[in-house]
Amino acid sequence: RKEVEQDPGPFNVPEGATVAFNCTYSNSASQSFFWYRQDCRKEPKLLMSVYSSGNEDGRFTAQLNRASQYISLLIRDSKLSDSATYLCVVTPTPGSSNTGKLIFGQGTTLQVKP
Amino acid sequence: DVKVTQSSRYLVKRTGEKVFLECVQDMDHENMFWYRQDPGLGLRLIYFSYDVKMKEKGDIPEGYSVSREKKERFSLILESASTNQTSMYLCASSPLAGSSGANVLTFGAGSRLTVL
Repeated sequence: RKEVEQDPGPFNVPEGATVAFNCTYSNSASQSFFWYRQDCRKEPKLLMSVYSSGNEDGRFTAQLNRASQYISLLIRDSKLSDSATYLCVVTPTPGSSNTGKLIFGQGTTLQVKP
Repeated sequence: DVKVTQSSRYLVKRTGEKVFLECVQDMDHENMFWYRQDPGLGLRLIYFSYDVKMKEKGDIPEGYSVSREKKERFSLILESASTNQTSMYLCASSPLAGSSGANVLTFGAGSRLTVL
C-alpha cells in the first residue's frame, strides 16, 4: 500500500463548480499535512497547510480526519486558473532520520472548463 | 522571496556520461532535497541533506550521488547516466525542523534530463 494515495483524476468540472479531493495516508503517526499545487510544467508550490480543526483560505477549505486517516481539499466556485495538479503531502513518523522529509501523493489533476 | 535556482532547465546527455545537476538556495535553509518526478509515480526522494557535508539516502538513491560542500549548494551527480534516469529533477529546500516554516518545501523550477 502506498503511504499517501490520491485519485489521479482528471477531474473535469465547469467554471463555478465545487470540487473536492481526498487523500488517504497509511501512517497514523503522521503529524503534519499539506496541499501543494503544481501547474503544468512548473514546480510544486505550497497551497495550504492542513490543521486538525480544518482551515479555510478564500475558496479553498482543507480538512483532516485522523480517525479515518484522510485529508481533503474543497474548492468552491472553481476558476479556470484553478486547473492544476494538487499534491497531498504528509510528514513521516517523527525521528532524526526523517528530519524535514515529506511524502508526496501522486497528485490529482483538476481541469476547469469554461 | 525564497529562491531555489537550478542551473539547467533542459539537458540532453548520452548513456554513460557523467551528469551534474546544480541547485542553489538563497534563504540560508539547512535542509535541501533532490526529487525526481515521473508520470504515474509522482515525486520520489533521491537524497537529502540537513547540513553541510551531511547526506541521507532517500527512497531511490541507486545510480545517484550528492555533494553539499556549502550550505547554499546541493549537487546531484549521475556517475554514468542511463536511459531510465530520463526524468524531471526537482531540487527543494526548507528550514530546520522546529523553526518557522519547517516542513514547507520551496522548489526550484526543475531540470528536465533526457538520456539518449
